[in-house]
Amino acid sequence: DADVTQTPRNRITKTGKRIMLECSQTKGHDRMYWYRQDPGLGLRLIYYSFDVKDINKGEISDGYSVSRQAQAKFSLSLESAIPNQTALYFCATSDFQSTGRTGELFFGEGSRLTVL
Amino acid sequence: DAKTTQPTSMDCAEGRAANLPCNHSTISGNEYVYWYRQIHSQGPQYIIHGLKNNETNEMASLIITEDRKSSTLILPHATLRDTAVYYCIVRVAGYGQNFVFGPGTRLSVLP
Repeated sequence: DADVTQTPRNRITKTGKRIMLECSQTKGHDRMYWYRQDPGLGLRLIYYSFDVKDINKGEISDGYSVSRQAQAKFSLSLESAIPNQTALYFCATSDFQSTGRTGELFFGEGSRLTVL
Repeated sequence: DAKTTQPTSMDCAEGRAANLPCNHSTISGNEYVYWYRQIHSQGPQYIIHGLKNNETNEMASLIITEDRKSSTLILPHATLRDTAVYYCIVRVAGYGQNFVFGPGTRLSVLP
């Protein structure tokens, strides 16, 4: 089983619908992240969380919200989806202790969202 | 903004060494060079990182120039499964900064 699991893996929805992407991890990491990737581009950070009481905006947070329900779960919501939010979304985790003080990221397999 | 410059794409023959360059002329003294790769549309995978000394692990080698303004990721014997987008990132180690992913280099390993 994957250490970082994203659901759903694929979703097609219509403009104006509310969508939630969920991420769960079994790595025991404290930090979790949501990234967005558009075709041919790198990843852009949407939100990140250091622990269940800490939420931080990334570079492209407008139109998105997040919830850290537990250390292992971090959800991304699109309150009213629009077509330019069509993208591949990645959840990632990191942890200071287990990664030898370097904090590198461990990614899920991605959630492909299409907004019609 | 990404602090690195990489070629858009490269080809490499299967079995040969793949050398992927990265320029980071504005790197600070406490910033590390990280490499990740993304195979098809999977989640990016950590490869290696270094500060100023050359580094090697089971996946690759990282060569950093003495002035630290550029580096090269080396895949010693490239296979078809190494076809991917490779991202070079500079960042302070630990939790000081987030990772900023640029467009990377698309490496195609040819049979």
